[in-house]
Amino acid sequence: GNSVTQMEGPVTLSEEAFLTINCTYTATGYPSLFWYVQYPGEGLQLLLKATKADDKGSNKGFEATYRKETTSFHLEKGSVQVSDSAVYFCALSGSPSGNMLTFGGGTRLMVKP
Amino acid sequence: DGGITQSPKYLFRKEGQNVTLSCEQNLNHDAMYWYRQDPGQGLRLIYYSQIVNDFQKGDIAEGYSVSREKKESFPLTVTSAQKNPTAFYLCASRTGPDTQYFGPGTRLTVL
Repeated sequence: GNSVTQMEGPVTLSEEAFLTINCTYTATGYPSLFWYVQYPGEGLQLLLKATKADDKGSNKGFEATYRKETTSFHLEKGSVQVSDSAVYFCALSGSPSGNMLTFGGGTRLMVKP
Repeated sequence: DGGITQSPKYLFRKEGQNVTLSCEQNLNHDAMYWYRQDPGQGLRLIYYSQIVNDFQKGDIAEGYSVSREKKESFPLTVTSAQKNPTAFYLCASRTGPDTQYFGPGTRLTVL
């Protein structure tokens, strides 16, 4: 079946540092890939997505590239802010689960001033 | 404003009680989902509905029930058969083939 593996957190960075959160997946077919962000006590917000190999999703300074050869979708940001502190979830949608999302366990990011 | 609303934000339940969590959307989405999130963990699918008057069990449906009488509404009932219901519950709806949007969540605590 489908699965998503994320690096364990927490990831602690200083403001303006470079961020990478690793995400790898196992899936049949050609899944779409997503990053969601969850701020404390809130629901998940869609951060970015990519629907096919070599696509780059981007939003609010965050980027992730769909790498089929390495089955990865790593999240990056060049300069993090304190306001980026949250939990980040990688997810995929595709066969055999059809329209279902399969989530990774989440990675907590803490940015210090 | 278009979006997904969940109520209440916080809910307390006594042992042996059934409680119902509300989820409403005005996005005209056909598909809706319920997830459970435990502290420090990812999301697990409880139930989903692709269309009105139809719903399917997810990975952890035992102790839960749902209905889908209207397109806009997908309430979740946590029954007394759910042995460990304390968790954060998230509702979502889907646009297009794969993108889901989430509500703000309901935190359920068993007293």
